[in-house]
Amino acid sequence: GAVVSQHPSWVICKSGTSVKIECRSLDFQATTMFWYRQFPKQSLMLMATSNEGSKATYEQGVEKDKFLINHASLTLSTLTVTSAHPEDSSFYICSARSQGFAGANVLTFGAGSRLTVL
Amino acid sequence: KNEVEQSPQNLTAQEGEFITINCSYSVGISALHWLQQHPGGGIVSLFMLSSGKKKHGRLIATINIQEKHSSLHITASHPRDSAVYICAVRFSARQLTFGSGTQLTVLP
Repeated sequence: GAVVSQHPSWVICKSGTSVKIECRSLDFQATTMFWYRQFPKQSLMLMATSNEGSKATYEQGVEKDKFLINHASLTLSTLTVTSAHPEDSSFYICSARSQGFAGANVLTFGAGSRLTVL
Repeated sequence: KNEVEQSPQNLTAQEGEFITINCSYSVGISALHWLQQHPGGGIVSLFMLSSGKKKHGRLIATINIQEKHSSLHITASHPRDSAVYICAVRFSARQLTFGSGTQLTVLP
């Protein structure tokens, strides 16, 4: 089945630095990828929708200059948290949409990246 | 307002019990997903439904479009089923809206 690889799985960084998280679809092409954030004991929140070759669409309240998303190829989307601060510490998850059986859209999730900003 | 409500929030069951998790939504949808999130955070997509019923192993998902309600059932529950189960809904052209999740604990 479809596999999405997310890297790194966890990262600790100092306040003010930038962190890049990669999301790769390993055996399928994903024209659309999604980035989510999850704070402890809370539900997933969609941050942005990433379309290959075009600008990402950000959800209300998500700063596009802080969370830079690049979807340069059909198999790779990256999320860069710029000038990270402790309040950005969270669990970031990506998902990719692929065509499943009979044309149904299938969502496959990455394993997530736990970011801790000191 | 597009809303997704899940119940119960927490559920503890004995091994072997039949489990039901419910999801209700406010307006018409194009698709509903049931997701399983493990303690480490990883998420697995269990089902995607737009109508009817789907079954995979011990898991069954149903959706009633008229009542705007979906259920996830687990038969013969096992401790390894312990996880957070999340209902996620796509309202028309919008992206997924997530329920708050149900923490399931199955005791041996």
